Amino acid sequence: QVQLQEAGPGLVKPSETLSLTCIVSGGSMSGSSWSWIRQPAGKGLEWIARIHTNGNTNYNPSLKSRVTMSIDTSKNHFSLTLTSVTAADTAMYYCARGVLVGGTFHSWGQGTLVTVSS
Amino acid sequence: QSALSQPASVSGSPGQSITISCTGTSSDVGGYKYVSWYQQHPGKAPKLVIYDVNNRPSGVSYRFSGSKSGNTASLTISGLQAEDEADYYCYSYTTTSLPVFGGGTKVTVL
Repeated sequence: QVQLQEAGPGLVKPSETLSLTCIVSGGSMSGSSWSWIRQPAGKGLEWIARIHTNGNTNYNPSLKSRVTMSIDTSKNHFSLTLTSVTAADTAMYYCARGVLVGGTFHSWGQGTLVTVSS
Repeated sequence: QSALSQPASVSGSPGQSITISCTGTSSDVGGYKYVSWYQQHPGKAPKLVIYDVNNRPSGVSYRFSGSKSGNTASLTISGLQAEDEADYYCYSYTTTSLPVFGGGTKVTVL
């Protein structure tokens, strides 16, 4: 059973860069896609970005100019970088494992709360 | 891509059946079998309850079922129980290959 755990700072200052890492355990990263999804308090889910083990990435068009994902299969983790953050980026951030065909998210991390504030 | 459309809330009494709709377009829900549903209890991560329109992951109660007609997918919870009270989100694959979620539905057990 693959498990995911998000790691990163809980507080980021406005205009700075948010960096999160998702540690994958209990299985191989091969054969899956890996995504970041966020959820502002009291609101719905917003898909941010996805990466495959070959390094191919897809980004939400609304965030594309500020987002970068990377992956290190030798260390079983993948990462998210979001630049020039504002209060609107305050949210619970989840990492998730998706299937290659169709993208269904079968496994989720517990989430990490990121607050953007000075 | 626009979010899929879900009712904000649905309620039912214990033992009843409820259905949550998820409306999209021919570019997402109507065009693919890759529709899934996620249950989210307060303070918890989402959990997959239905995938590929009508398949239940191992360990998910048989009381959860899914279907699709045209551009609208549906999640039905039969024999409603107190533990089913949660937020539910639909998801669909799209022609752009980028994921899209519904806005979420709050299920209340009366």
